[in-house]
Amino acid sequence: KAGVTQTPRYLIKTRGQQVTLSCSPISGHRSVSWYQQTPGQGLQFLFEYFSETQRNKGNFPGRFSGRQFSNSRSEMNVSTLELGDSALYLCASSPGTSVTGELFFGEGSRLTVL
Amino acid sequence: AQKVTQAQTEISVVEKEDVTLDCVYETRDTTYYLFWYKQPPSGELVFLIRRNSFDEQNEISGRYSWNFQKSTSSFNFTITASQVVDSAVYFCALSDATSSSNTGKLIFGQGTTLQVKP
Repeated sequence: KAGVTQTPRYLIKTRGQQVTLSCSPISGHRSVSWYQQTPGQGLQFLFEYFSETQRNKGNFPGRFSGRQFSNSRSEMNVSTLELGDSALYLCASSPGTSVTGELFFGEGSRLTVL
Repeated sequence: AQKVTQAQTEISVVEKEDVTLDCVYETRDTTYYLFWYKQPPSGELVFLIRRNSFDEQNEISGRYSWNFQKSTSSFNFTITASQVVDSAVYFCALSDATSSSNTGKLIFGQGTTLQVKP
């Protein structure tokens, strides 16, 4: 069973640009969550998508957005990049219908903003 | 508000030593789940264990064991006879998933970096 796949794995952008990250969940999983990991703030929840609808959102500015497609693949977008957006962005998938909350994570997309 | 505290930022041990990673949590929910994840250098978080708030039974899986105590709001993780391959960052996390509409959000601690030296 293929795991969670995130692309690209590494990318470098400059301030003011925008970036789109992609996540393909485990087959059959309908929930995709995104997390930002930085040395200072640790792992922080960005948002969760289930069946193409955002059903949970963390405390991040509107520059951070996402969407989910009918095949459950998800993208997140960060506009007007700031230096502080440099981070490892992790995607996690789950069936999304159970309260047990076990998440399966990808290896992440490491974004560097110069 | 929910919070997870891992007071130990870094731990260094010599192979074969036992090591305990501490986790203290705060929540007002009566139903919640606690997790431990391992993050190797490759980046992905690997699920280790999940406990629900109604099950305080300790669990052992090979060299890993977990001690859940609601009285002290702690969920500690012990590695017995540590090995170099155990070197990683370990995260404790809390979920208030009381409804099926909130299954993707975990509150993570800051993580403990474990280095096991040969």
